[in-house]
Amino acid sequence: GAVVSQHPSWVICKSGTSVKIECRSLDFQATTMFWYRQFPKQSLMLMATSNEGSKATYEQGVEKDKFLINHASLTLSTLTVTSAHPEDSSFYICSAWGTGLAGGLTRNEQFFGPGTRLTVL
Amino acid sequence: GENVEQHPSTLSVQEGDSAVIKCTYSDSASNYFPWYKQELGKRPQLIIDIRSNVGEKKDQRIAVTLNKTAKHFSLHITETQPEDSAVYFCAASIRGGLTGGGNKLTFGTGTQLKVEL
Repeated sequence: GAVVSQHPSWVICKSGTSVKIECRSLDFQATTMFWYRQFPKQSLMLMATSNEGSKATYEQGVEKDKFLINHASLTLSTLTVTSAHPEDSSFYICSAWGTGLAGGLTRNEQFFGPGTRLTVL
Repeated sequence: GENVEQHPSTLSVQEGDSAVIKCTYSDSASNYFPWYKQELGKRPQLIIDIRSNVGEKKDQRIAVTLNKTAKHFSLHITETQPEDSAVYFCAASIRGGLTGGGNKLTFGTGTQLKVEL
């Protein structure tokens, strides 16, 4: 139980285009989803927190108009990188927390997706 | 906001030796401290966690200690094996009630552990 998937696993795009990344909780209801960005050999930096049905809360320094987050259902959150540029190239990871339908989820653990490698040319 | 510092940034040990990674946090309200192992290009995996009402927790070769007064916590890996080689991240969060898991994690800067044969 407690499986989180991301799609796509990697994407290469041209500068100026937009890219959408999906994060899904496969066997539980994700009340809250988090989006992180990780540059090579660096830590995970939280970009935003999204609660189902509400607007996302962005961390300081993260442009909400550039990184659009939608959490329309309890199993799906999307991150859209708009007008992507080479400096947006990074590893994007989502995590999800929620109440469990399977696997006896605790109230503490966040479950991470496998990540999406974005390369902007 | 919370700030988590982690040391060392790199750590090399011989197989069978112990490894210790230390973290400090700034927000005294933080009460949940997980440790993650991340292999290159993969997702972080929770290896152990501790809540602030506990001073130590052990799971086979892995243990975590917490000193709330000093606001630091440490990861101890005994009898290290080559497969322990990875990047380890500590994190801190404020947990509360039923929404505890929904509170954001602040990660440390990571420690590259290399276990040499």
